[in-house]
Amino acid sequence: GNSVTQMEGPVTLSEEAFLTINCTYTATGYPSLFWYVQYPGEGLQLLLKATKADDKGSNKGFEATYRKETTSFHLEKGSVQVSDSAVYFCALRGGSNYKLTFGKGTLLTVNP
Amino acid sequence: DGGITQSPKYLFRKEGQNVTLSCEQNLNHDAMYWYRQDPGQGLRLIYYSQIVNDFQKGDIAEGYSVSREKKESFPLTVTSAQKNPTAFYLCASVGGNIQYFGAGTRLSVL
Repeated sequence: GNSVTQMEGPVTLSEEAFLTINCTYTATGYPSLFWYVQYPGEGLQLLLKATKADDKGSNKGFEATYRKETTSFHLEKGSVQVSDSAVYFCALRGGSNYKLTFGKGTLLTVNP
Repeated sequence: DGGITQSPKYLFRKEGQNVTLSCEQNLNHDAMYWYRQDPGQGLRLIYYSQIVNDFQKGDIAEGYSVSREKKESFPLTVTSAQKNPTAFYLCASVGGNIQYFGAGTRLSVL
C-alpha cells in the first residue's frame, strides 16, 4: 500500500534560517504529492503540490520538487519567519479516488 | 464566502453517549472525507463519500457512522462503541483534485 515517511520533529530554527523537511514515499504508479500546513487549533491548508516527476511546487517562499528516482518530495524555504511556525504534513494521492495518505507531521518552531 | 464549516468547535462526550459532528460545505464538491488526528500520528481516514447516498469505510471506521443525504452535508457520529474518541476531527471536500479542510472539531470525553 501507499505510505509517507517524513522527518520527525520538532524542528526549531532561528528567524531567517534555511529550512528542509524531508519526505519520502512508497506508492505504485504515479502519485500526486502535496504539502499541507496546520497552524495551531486550525484545519489543514494546502501549501503546494506536484502532480508528475520533476514538477516543482512553490508557494509563499516554500518549494518542493517531485523526485521519482529517489521517491522524495522534500520541503525547503530559504529564510523562515516566526509566522511559519506550524505543523507541516507531506501527503500523496494515488489511485482513482481522492484518498490522501499522510505523513505523521513535523512541528516547526521559528524563534525571533 | 465558500468553504467548509465544522461545528461545534469543541464537544464533550459522556460515557455511553453518541455524539454527532457536523460538516457542511458550499463549494459544490461531490467528494467529502472525515479524518481523525491524534498527536504524533498524523491524519487517519475514517469514512469518505464520493457522491450523495454513497460512502465507504476508511482505515479506522469502527465505532463511527456517517450519512450523505445531501451533497452539502456529511455528518459523523461517534458512537458509544468508540472506546477512545478523544481526538481532533477534520472534515474535507475535494475540488480540482485538491482536498480542502474545515477548521476541525475537538472531541473530549467527560
